[in-house]
Amino acid sequence: AQTVTQSQPEMSVQEAETVTLSCTYDTSENNYYLFWYKQPPSRQMILVIRQEAYKQQNATENRFSVNFQKAAKSFSLKISDSQLGDTAMYFCAFMDTGRRALTFGSGTRLQVQP
Amino acid sequence: DGGITQSPKYLFRKEGQNVTLSCEQNLNHDAMYWYRQDPGQGLRLIYYSQIVNDFQKGDIAEGYSVSREKKESFPLTVTSAQKNPTAFYLCASSIGRGRETQYFGPGTRLLVL
Repeated sequence: AQTVTQSQPEMSVQEAETVTLSCTYDTSENNYYLFWYKQPPSRQMILVIRQEAYKQQNATENRFSVNFQKAAKSFSLKISDSQLGDTAMYFCAFMDTGRRALTFGSGTRLQVQP
Repeated sequence: DGGITQSPKYLFRKEGQNVTLSCEQNLNHDAMYWYRQDPGQGLRLIYYSQIVNDFQKGDIAEGYSVSREKKESFPLTVTSAQKNPTAFYLCASSIGRGRETQYFGPGTRLLVL
């Protein structure tokens, strides 16, 4: 079974600065997908970014980018120019190509300070 | 507007009672999923369905049941066998067929009276 580990329960960053959230996973598969989801206080799960394991290029979405290290099974999220609206829980998630359901980490609570 | 709707937003269950959570999507997605979220934790998979009239158990299916009679709908029943049902329940869907990004509904908060 796959496992996803987020070792930082809480993080804080000043507005306009950069922060990196860590995620590691364990799998024996070669093909899979990785995701970062954001859950603000409304509790709506919002997709931030996705990465296909077969792609060597790291995914980027505006201020959000990932550092995907397949051999190390590491998938960190970098948020540049942090904004107050980035305050939320961030979940790393793994999807295998078999059942295609998500396995989530326990989350990192990010607080952006003004 | 296209999207995923869940109802009700809050649901109260009495001891020994079965309750059903609704999940509807108008995105024409083939696959649908139910997850449970407990305080301070990530989401865990309850059931999933890749196609109409077919569904599979997830990691924590005991005490839950589902049906998938229509493509748009994937209701979840929390039975009396589920001894600790208090949680936040999230429904998700994806196009399937190799396009795997899941999109989530707003969730249902279930509380036990």
